[in-house]
Amino acid sequence: DTGVSQNPRHKITKRGQNVTFRCDPISEHNRLYWYRQTLGQGPEFLTYFQNEAQLEKSRLLSDRFSAERPKGSFSTLEIQRTEQGDSAMYLCASSEHGPGANVLTFGAGSRLTVL
Amino acid sequence: DQQVKQNSPSLSVQEGRISILNCDYTNSMFDYFLWYKKYPAEGPTFLISISSIKDKNEDGRFTVFLNKSAKHLSLHIVPSQPGDSAVYFCAASRGENSGYSTLTFGKGTMLLVSP
Repeated sequence: DTGVSQNPRHKITKRGQNVTFRCDPISEHNRLYWYRQTLGQGPEFLTYFQNEAQLEKSRLLSDRFSAERPKGSFSTLEIQRTEQGDSAMYLCASSEHGPGANVLTFGAGSRLTVL
Repeated sequence: DQQVKQNSPSLSVQEGRISILNCDYTNSMFDYFLWYKKYPAEGPTFLISISSIKDKNEDGRFTVFLNKSAKHLSLHIVPSQPGDSAVYFCAASRGENSGYSTLTFGKGTMLLVSP
């Protein structure tokens, strides 16, 4: 078990470009979460999946953001027409279903810089 | 509005002494609380948790206390070690029994333990 893996670790892009991040959760975890963290803030919830179903989305997730988990394994987070305000660390986490559901295991994050 | 508040951005403690990190919450629906530790360039790592049916949980050098009436929890680290220097996030969840697992985080407290 290699933990939660995120790629790429760093992404620098120009305003208006599209970017995509990938997350590979712990294999036996069926819940997957995306959070965003900016400087001086704690992680902020964006969305979560149980298996392939997207069960909740935060109001932070504007229509430029889309997340998928097509086969209930890895997930992608795409940001279209990036803006400078999208610069942040994007964290992926996974958890079990049931008693361990509240303990999220995080990846190292994907840092986005929009110029 | 901040539902989970960590009012101390930073804390400095000498090695061997006790570190006390505080957290307040406003949402009465929260019934499960966690502390995460974060080193630079890494994702948050789970440290310890407590359910609302308890008022104390201990794991080695780490103890979390919960005061439901005051909507306050604290993390005690005894004795503090230089390797404990990190940002500590308080997080809360609601619906532990239902498996609702999305976490709401505070802004974090940076702990510095000096030799």
